[in-house]
Amino acid sequence: GQQLNQSPQSMFIQEGEDVSMNCTSSSIFNTWLWYKQDPGEGPVLLIALYKAGELTSNGRLTAQFGITRKDSFLNISASIPSDVGIYFCAGQGGSEKLVFGKGTKLTVNP
Amino acid sequence: DSGVTQTPKHLITATGQRVTLRCSPRSGDLSVYWYQQSLDQGLQFLIHYYNGEERAKGNILERFSAQQFPDLHSELNLSSLELGDSALYFCASSVWASGGADTQYFGPGTRLTVL
Repeated sequence: GQQLNQSPQSMFIQEGEDVSMNCTSSSIFNTWLWYKQDPGEGPVLLIALYKAGELTSNGRLTAQFGITRKDSFLNISASIPSDVGIYFCAGQGGSEKLVFGKGTKLTVNP
Repeated sequence: DSGVTQTPKHLITATGQRVTLRCSPRSGDLSVYWYQQSLDQGLQFLIHYYNGEERAKGNILERFSAQQFPDLHSELNLSSLELGDSALYFCASSVWASGGADTQYFGPGTRLTVL
């Protein structure tokens, strides 16, 4: 079945630093989504990407849909303490179901 | 607030019991998806309903079943519960257009604890 490799597994950064995380897949996806999840809460959609090569920003967040359609990255610029959480990538292929990465746990030190 | 509501927020029950989790999608969304999130397995897709009909099945056990009602709310039924069924259960909704990209919005989840 489809699998997503998300890296890094965790990150510890200082407030103000930039962050980069990525996901790679063994198969092609038609849609890439990035979510953030706070403890005990549901994932919140951050950015949705629908076309290969697409670069989309949402405030300090920027994500790109890889040209090969097998990868995506998420960048966070000038991190702040409320950026703390777990970030998930998710890909959607021909079927309707989403396949999720294992998540990147972000810790921001003030 | 995603607009997706789930009840109850917490559920504690015993092994062998049966529970029902409820989800109301965002206004206008016809699709409902159910996911299970556990510490060791991450987020796993269980099942997808569109406008009352089952569309896709994922890693859903035979002890689990779901349905979507005419008012588009959905219920996930978990029976013969085992300790390993303890997890967060999320539903998500979307406006699913045939052949189109589908952005899913998640509810706050139901935390199930099986003792």
